[in-house]
Amino acid sequence: DTGVSQDPRHKITKRGQNVTFRCDPISEHNRLYWYRQTLGQGPEFLTYFQNEAQLEKSRLLSDRFSAERPKGSFSTLEIQRTEQGDSAMYLCASSLKATGTGFYEQYFGPGTRLTVT
Amino acid sequence: QKEVEQNSGPLSVPEGAIASLNCTYSDRGSQSFFWYRQYSGKSPELIMSIYSNGDKEDGRFTAQLNKASQYVSLLIRDSQPSDSATYLCAVKPGGTSYGKLTFGQGTILTVHP
Repeated sequence: DTGVSQDPRHKITKRGQNVTFRCDPISEHNRLYWYRQTLGQGPEFLTYFQNEAQLEKSRLLSDRFSAERPKGSFSTLEIQRTEQGDSAMYLCASSLKATGTGFYEQYFGPGTRLTVT
Repeated sequence: QKEVEQNSGPLSVPEGAIASLNCTYSDRGSQSFFWYRQYSGKSPELIMSIYSNGDKEDGRFTAQLNKASQYVSLLIRDSQPSDSATYLCAVKPGGTSYGKLTFGQGTILTVHP
């Protein structure tokens, strides 16, 4: 059972460029989440998919951000016209209903560190 | 008031001592609570989950939940230098929020030999 994987692990881009990140969840997990984390802060929720449906989006997710999960498998997060304030670690998580409790536990991938120059 | 609050620390304890990490939350409808460990430059790793009032033990870790006081804590017994990390408290809000976790800013723990 492999964990959540993310690609690329690091991305350096110039302001105004578009970037796309990929997340592959744990294979049997139908729920997938994107978070953003800046230095000294906890992760902030961006968006959530159940299978291929995007069910929840944060106000943080401006119109420059878009996420997809075609066929309910991997997901992509695209940032258009990047700004220096977009520099952060972008984390993907997937979840599984814990046996016995009925609650979902989220497991994070290694993250993609974005630097906008 | 922040939705999830933690003392940012740093909390410094000697090796072998008990480290006590605390977290309060504002949403009374919250149902599930999690502790994540995050080493510098790495992603969060789930170490404990707790859903009902009381204590839950897993190895050297004990999570404690008091919903009436809106308080959750993590105890680490026999602390080791390898426990030095940032510990994140995460809460799943109640209501119609499907999947979002709300995180505190994390407590930095340092275990010194």
